[in-house]
Amino acid sequence: EVQLVESGGGLVQPGGSLRLSCVASGFSLSNYWMNWVRQAPGKGLEWVALINQDGSKTFYVDSVKGRFTISRDNGKNSLYLQMNSLRAEDSAVFYCVIGNFWGQGTLVTVSS
Amino acid sequence: DIVMTQTPLSSPVTLGQPASISCRSSQSLVHSDGNTYLSWLQQRPGQPPRLLIYKISNRFSGVSDRFSGSGAGTDFTLKISRVEAEDVGVYYCMQATQLLSFGQGTKLEIK
Repeated sequence: EVQLVESGGGLVQPGGSLRLSCVASGFSLSNYWMNWVRQAPGKGLEWVALINQDGSKTFYVDSVKGRFTISRDNGKNSLYLQMNSLRAEDSAVFYCVIGNFWGQGTLVTVSS
Repeated sequence: DIVMTQTPLSSPVTLGQPASISCRSSQSLVHSDGNTYLSWLQQRPGQPPRLLIYKISNRFSGVSDRFSGSGAGTDFTLKISRVEAEDVGVYYCMQATQLLSFGQGTKLEIK
């Protein structure tokens, strides 16, 4: 069974950092481009970041450029999102999206 | 950036009746590899999004055949042949031809 499990969310103060992880089971990530997508409370879906199969290409939505870094470890079948200089408007559920599969999400709350 | 526009944003439907949601992209979703990466997602209340349809018209594993997708180029449609109570939620179109982007979402509710 294919499963994606995100972790690393939580409550953080404005200006703080968090590192999200997504671990896949039931298939190998190495052949896939991988994404992070977020959903603010009561809002729609917003793409955040994308990484190619070997990690050599990354893309970001403008609002997170210079603050977020997407990375992957194919050996650990894992995807990461390092989030620095967090703002209140970054508060959302973050989903990893790989091919046709979505994780359950991890909640990030940025508040003092 | 590719902008996705869904209509309607809200759709009250009677149980057992059909429903239809439209999605238009700001540019063609035909990829250089010849595929069109247009998907439909369902998000039930309190749940993560779930893939229903990929590449315009392909039902994902386990998805009811009451759901069907059609379209080409920039115009796409999701149809539910007979709405059931479990279909209540928000439906999103998503393109993956150029990065990812989503429609605003269409809230399906029962009349």
